[in-house]
Amino acid sequence: DTGVSQDPRHKITKRGQNVTFRCDPISEHNRLYWYRQTLGQGPEFLTYFQNEAQLEKSRLLSDRFSAERPKGSFSTLEIQRTEQGDSAMYLCASSLMGLDTDTQYFGPGTRLTVL
Amino acid sequence: GENVEQHPSTLSVQEGDSAVIKCTYSDSASNYFPWYKQELGKGPQLIIDIRSNVGEKKDQRIAVTLNKTAKHFSLHITETQPEDSAVYFCAARKVGTYKYIFGTGTRLKVLA
Repeated sequence: DTGVSQDPRHKITKRGQNVTFRCDPISEHNRLYWYRQTLGQGPEFLTYFQNEAQLEKSRLLSDRFSAERPKGSFSTLEIQRTEQGDSAMYLCASSLMGLDTDTQYFGPGTRLTVL
Repeated sequence: GENVEQHPSTLSVQEGDSAVIKCTYSDSASNYFPWYKQELGKGPQLIIDIRSNVGEKKDQRIAVTLNKTAKHFSLHITETQPEDSAVYFCAARKVGTYKYIFGTGTRLKVLA
């Protein structure tokens, strides 16, 4: 399968714990996005990478959230001191920079439940 | 602030009928408008997109129209089939940014 993969698919944690999610984009895609999706809502932009550089970050992303893409390939999203309000589906998407296209390919998501 | 409103939230149609989903965006600097289909347990999948220099785009049974003056864009699905049942999201992105603003989604049910 050459699509976007995310790991784990499901994560249950207790409030106050740290969690880390991984996203492996489609090979050679230089753009990578993280989104959060709650039930009945559309994806909410969190952050964007072009290669290893984090170029855009939502104001909604508190200092408990951090994302990295150290070698411009896979990315990690870490949430520190989780809160119940962090419970959501975390989606990763990747795309290939082109002159007139930015088709995002989404992964299956990581569903986080904070107890 | 940036906002995309999407209507209706749910839509039921008979197989073979047409379905129309409408979105309105607030930021006039938006220039790219993709539509996504999301099935249960999966991430969204791009089905069609349109840029601000085009008024209409069609791909088989799916079409998208854009009215820049009114800041409206719509998804049209003709000859609906049961496999079209899913949640559909519109989105908008403005010039100079990679931040996509998504609508709240439309749950489409195609009744056989």
